[in-house]
Amino acid sequence: NAGVMQNPRHLVRRRGQEARLRCSPVKGHSHVYWYRQLPEEGLKFMVYLQKENIIDESGMPKERFSAEFPKEGPSILRIQQVVRGDSAAYFCASSLQKNTEAFFGQGTRLTVV
Amino acid sequence: EDQVTQSPEALRLQEGESSSLNCSYTVSGLRGLFWYRQDPGKGPEFLFTLYSAGEEKEKERLKATLTKKESFLHITAPKPEDSATYLCAVPDYGGSQGNLIFGKGTKLSVKP
Repeated sequence: NAGVMQNPRHLVRRRGQEARLRCSPVKGHSHVYWYRQLPEEGLKFMVYLQKENIIDESGMPKERFSAEFPKEGPSILRIQQVVRGDSAAYFCASSLQKNTEAFFGQGTRLTVV
Repeated sequence: EDQVTQSPEALRLQEGESSSLNCSYTVSGLRGLFWYRQDPGKGPEFLFTLYSAGEEKEKERLKATLTKKESFLHITAPKPEDSATYLCAVPDYGGSQGNLIFGKGTKLSVKP
C-alpha cells in the first residue's frame, strides 16, 4: 500500500535549466496538491489538480511554473529557466476527496547552482 | 493576514514533561483542522483531523482538541522520539477550499 511517491528526492540544476518534479498519488486518490517549503518557513500552497484539470493555481507563479496531472501517469511540476530563488523543498500531497486529510510525499529538494 | 498561528515557535521539554501546543485560526465556519508531524528532511505525516468544537482525537501520547477559535495538541509524558515539528492547517476558504493553509509550526525537542 504505497503512499505518495515523489522523485527525484534531490535535484540539482544550473540557473536557466528546467526542473521536472514527479508525483504519484496514493492509489485511488484523484486530488493532488503541490506545496513549496523554504528553510524556516511554512508550507505554501502552489497548485491543486484533479485528474486532467487544474482546479486552483493561485499559489503558483504565473511565469516559468506549470503543473499537470494527466489521465495516465504521475503529476508533474515543471519549472523552466530555474533561478536561485527556486531552491526549496517541493512537496506533493494527495487526498481521496476535497477537504479530507491529505497525505504527503517525502518531497523533492531542488538546489539551483 | 495570517489565518493560522502556532505557538510557541519552539518548545524544549524533558522526557516525561507533559505540555501543550497551540494553534489559533481566524477563519469562520471551520470545515476541518488538520495536525501533521514533520521530521527533518521528511514530508509531513498526517496525525489528526478535527471537524467540530469539542471534538477530541487521541493517538499514543498525543491528544488533539478543538474549540471555536483554537486547537491544542497535548503531549503526555513525551519521549525523545516525539521530537519533531508539529504543523496545523485549515482549508483555504478564500480559494478552492481544496488546499490547506499551514501554520509555521512548533518545533518540539524532547531531551532524555
